[in-house]
Amino acid sequence: EAQVTQNPRYLITVTGKKLTVTCSQNMNHEYMSWYRQDPGLGLRQIYYSMNVEVTDKGDVPEGYKVSRKEKRNFPLILESPSPNQTSLYFCASGRGGAWETQYFGPGTRLLVL
Amino acid sequence: AQSVTQLGSHVSVSEGALVLLRCNYSSSVPPYLFWYVQYPNQGLQLLLKYTSAATLVKGINGFEAEFKKSETSFHLTKPSAHMSDAAEYFCAALTGANNLFFGTGTRLTVIP
Repeated sequence: EAQVTQNPRYLITVTGKKLTVTCSQNMNHEYMSWYRQDPGLGLRQIYYSMNVEVTDKGDVPEGYKVSRKEKRNFPLILESPSPNQTSLYFCASGRGGAWETQYFGPGTRLLVL
Repeated sequence: AQSVTQLGSHVSVSEGALVLLRCNYSSSVPPYLFWYVQYPNQGLQLLLKYTSAATLVKGINGFEAEFKKSETSFHLTKPSAHMSDAAEYFCAALTGANNLFFGTGTRLTVIP
């Protein structure tokens, strides 16, 4: 089954404790992206990647890192999480670029205390 | 500056009634516009997209949207609402080479 998977789905952590949210897709898509969703703000793009070893900032990259060492994986790293990073995070992938259909993962709900 | 603006954070319609969800875009954005739907506790799913080919775009589940340059609008419609249409709907625009800007969303409630 074609899908985007994220792990973990739910995470409670404390300020400053490094964490990684994994994202994997099995559709051989070149494009992958991370978004955060907050009430009243919609989805905001954090980072995206056009292909292996090619990443770029979205609208809200501060406090986040990403890497794209393999085509299928695009982990989101929070080196020192803060409470304002409490949010619902979505990974997405697509063929080509953002103009193509994006397929979203189920989301990761993060609470930073 | 906002690239897309969704008017109305909540819309309620009766089952069988017309669904109209409003989206206006900045005239500076490239002509790539999207509607995505998010069902409860799920990720987003593409409903339809406009890429300059035709002004009336048909999507899945009976939804369609019309690109109106004179009004800078891309409103989403469905002639007859179904209970299964209850969800949150997001309008989005391509704002850069690979930057997708989402609106703040409209939650649709369908009343039996």
